[in-house]
Amino acid sequence: KAGVTQTPRYLIKTRGQQVTLSCSPISGHRSVSWYQQTPGQGLQFLFEYFSETQRNKGNFPGRFSGRQFSNSRSEMNVSTLELGDSALYLCASSSLSSAGSYNEQFFGPGTRLTVL
Amino acid sequence: AQSVTQPDIHITVSEGASLELRCNYSYGATPYLFWYVQSPGQGLQLLLKYFSGDTLVQGIKGFEAEFKRSQSSFNLRKPSVHWSDAAEYFCAVGYNDMRFGAGTRLTVKP
Repeated sequence: KAGVTQTPRYLIKTRGQQVTLSCSPISGHRSVSWYQQTPGQGLQFLFEYFSETQRNKGNFPGRFSGRQFSNSRSEMNVSTLELGDSALYLCASSSLSSAGSYNEQFFGPGTRLTVL
Repeated sequence: AQSVTQPDIHITVSEGASLELRCNYSYGATPYLFWYVQSPGQGLQLLLKYFSGDTLVQGIKGFEAEFKRSQSSFNLRKPSVHWSDAAEYFCAVGYNDMRFGAGTRLTVKP
């Protein structure tokens, strides 16, 4: 079974631009979560989607948004990029089957975003 | 407030020595508990998980963890560390959402 894939793997943008990252979960997984990882803040939860609906959201500004498609693939978008958005963005999928029950998450390799 | 704490930011052990990485959580009920490992530039890989039952959980790569309800802890152990174990280790808790500790970086001395 193929793992979680993320595209692109590396991205360089300039301040003020916007970016879209893509995540394809493991086949059959309906839950997709996004995380931002930086040396200073560690691993921070952005949001989680389940069956095309946002189930949970972390404490990030509205510039960070996401969506999930009917095939469970997910995208996250960051608008008006700031230098502090430079980070490794990780996507994880889970076979979560109902609200409140958490199975383990399987992570993709991440997208390394650099904002200049 | 719900939280996951990994008290040790960085640990150095000699190859062949035993290892224990600490994790404490603060939740109203017993959540699902996980340990992940991350090698540089990579995503996170699940080492082991605890949902219920036997409090001593075996994982991959020779790791094990023990759930202690009275101490709200889920410490990760390995009897003999290999140089390839050098990585960052994250404890995670799944309740209404998934929360990760700050991570413990493991350095292995030859």
